[in-house]
Amino acid sequence: EVQLVESGGGFVQWGGSLRLSCAASGFTFTNYWMHWVRQAPGKGLVWVSRINSDGSSTTYADSVQGRFTISRDNARNTLYLEMNSLRVEDTAVYYCARFASYQTTALQRTFFFDYWGQGTLVTVSS
Amino acid sequence: DIQLTQSPSSLSASVGDRVSITCRASQSISRFLNWYQQKPGKAPKLLIYAASSLQTGVPSRFSGSGSGTGFTLTISSLQPEDFATYYCQQSYSVPDSFGQGTKVEI
Repeated sequence: EVQLVESGGGFVQWGGSLRLSCAASGFTFTNYWMHWVRQAPGKGLVWVSRINSDGSSTTYADSVQGRFTISRDNARNTLYLEMNSLRVEDTAVYYCARFASYQTTALQRTFFFDYWGQGTLVTVSS
Repeated sequence: DIQLTQSPSSLSASVGDRVSITCRASQSISRFLNWYQQKPGKAPKLLIYAASSLQTGVPSRFSGSGSGTGFTLTISSLQPEDFATYYCQQSYSVPDSFGQGTKVEI
């Protein structure tokens, strides 16, 4: 059974730091890109960051670029999100999600988030 | 960045109703469009990928259609467990953006 379990959320002051973890099990972790998606209280889903399967390539939303760092430890089957210079607007539930793919035609592959963790709440106070 | 606009933002419906939710992309995204269901306090759940492919285990009352810039999620006969918020998401280009959500209420 595929499982993604986030941890590390909590209450932090403006300008502070926090590191989130996402422990993966039930699948071959090294075969998948992984993402972080967040959801502010009462709001919609917002993509945050992604990392490729071997950790050599990362991408960030403009809103977190330069402040957040995504990484992974494939030996420990764990995804991380290091968050620095936190702002009040970073308050949200943070989800890790597995990025799966499906071959739709001979030349085309589509992608989607097929498994999500339960989320971990980060609260930034001013 | 590609913007996704869902309509309506919310709707009221009854058990047994046929419900449709629309998602419009700011530029053509071929069929790189996915649909998710989210219940309060829970993680999103994948329903439809590649615009119209039903994820394993999802009831057949859910269906998706569309391509290019216009997409539709249809629930053929609404069940009590379907009252939730639904999101579209595009995987055509980074950032992988989501629509703002559609809340389906009684």
